[in-house]
Amino acid sequence: QSVLTQPPSASGTPGQRVTFSCSGSSSNIRRNTVNWYQQLPGTAPKLLIYSNNQRPSGVPDRFSGSKSGTSASLAISGLQSEDEADYFCAAWDDSLNVWVFGGGTKLTVL
Amino acid sequence: QVQLVQSGAEVKKPGASVKVSCKTSGYTFNSYGISWVRQAPGQGLEWMGWISAYNGDTKYAQKFQGRVTMTTDTSTSTAYMELRSLRSDDTAMYYCARVPIIRGVITVFYGMDVWGQGTTVTVSS
Repeated sequence: QSVLTQPPSASGTPGQRVTFSCSGSSSNIRRNTVNWYQQLPGTAPKLLIYSNNQRPSGVPDRFSGSKSGTSASLAISGLQSEDEADYFCAAWDDSLNVWVFGGGTKLTVL
Repeated sequence: QVQLVQSGAEVKKPGASVKVSCKTSGYTFNSYGISWVRQAPGQGLEWMGWISAYNGDTKYAQKFQGRVTMTTDTSTSTAYMELRSLRSDDTAMYYCARVPIIRGVITVFYGMDVWGQGTTVTVSS
């Protein structure tokens, strides 16, 4: 059971815009910044968004993040087949004193 | 470029220990910390703890307290994670990942920005 809650799956067609939700609590998302990671099949996670809505260099601006209260979301616009991956949200939890993750959302590009 | 290269796959028996290495390059080692994250087969990500390469300070998730030790060797820019008293549910892919240090303290603000390729640890009798 993950501390952050994500829907297990999502899908979209090429060119479409998809969004992923991440629900937490006052001890994690409300108080701390949210990061998003992309994990392509058989590879290590890659930082996609940090500090709620910042993209590391090299990450296309098709990817965007936002946070409100105890929830966060990741949006991908102009969906491409290579976006098919698992997406995890993460935030520090002040009560548990650990970095907590969501269970991940598996994106299928139809 | 920044790289974190981990040691190879391990197969261990229950009760044994495993030590995974994470050799870094392409950046100033003591300006960052190293986090360790594991992923059981088909499961999500689980943070185990981190170590500051600046001053050696560690923070471990309570779940692993007493069973894990994280260390660094600044002469080789390498971080290590040792997990003892292995059980079958420790079977997982173990990743190291870089975390920034600001004013001498590891910060979660910027996330884990570069990851190693992962090390498979299998615990089986």
